[in-house]
Amino acid sequence: NAGVTQTPKFQVLKTGQSMTLQCAQDMNHNSMYWYRQDPGMGLRLIYYSASEGTTDKGEVPDGYNVSRLKKQNFLLGLESAAPSQTSVYFCASSEPTGRIGYTFGSGTRLTVV
Amino acid sequence: AQKVTQAQTEISVVEKEDVTLDCVYETRDTTYYLFWYKQPPSGELVFLIRRNSFDEQNEISGRYSWNFQKSTSSFNFTITASQVVDSAVYFCALRYWSQAGTALIFGKGTTLSVSS
Repeated sequence: NAGVTQTPKFQVLKTGQSMTLQCAQDMNHNSMYWYRQDPGMGLRLIYYSASEGTTDKGEVPDGYNVSRLKKQNFLLGLESAAPSQTSVYFCASSEPTGRIGYTFGSGTRLTVV
Repeated sequence: AQKVTQAQTEISVVEKEDVTLDCVYETRDTTYYLFWYKQPPSGELVFLIRRNSFDEQNEISGRYSWNFQKSTSSFNFTITASQVVDSAVYFCALRYWSQAGTALIFGKGTTLSVSS
């Protein structure tokens, strides 16, 4: 089925470890996004990318980096994981104007111990 | 600055009651889009509706209806004759523009619990 695929679905990291969350979309969307969801906080934008090769910071970018080398992939990196990064991470994509809507992946539940 | 406020943190109703979820937004954009998403206990985000700032016509879709009022910067969502399956977290969101493109800013969500 067409959509946004996130891997892995679950991950446990030790403090200080690094990892990359992967996101792939097959809808030929130009724009992609990473959000984190914490209890009572809604979804907060970490980074977004309007097109291949471009990225920009969102509301809560500290401690993360991103990569958009291919149009269909948007990677979120944690260089040195901290317990404060325990969260559910959602990737999304949209066509440039966002008029049609944003398609979200099923989420990655990350726990940092 | 862009902001979405969902003042209701949690709402509990009994099946068949009507329930309205409130959303108030702030934006300086003259053209903008508003969205409602549903997040059931399974965790996925389900798109419900999108409204643009030029279209204040209210919409009804089955048991769902939306009331968009630019004068009060509100985009409220009503479920008529609620059902247990409506239990979920509901998010209101606003699309905003920046030099880097567009993105959604979300409210903190309203948790709706429908009991039988």
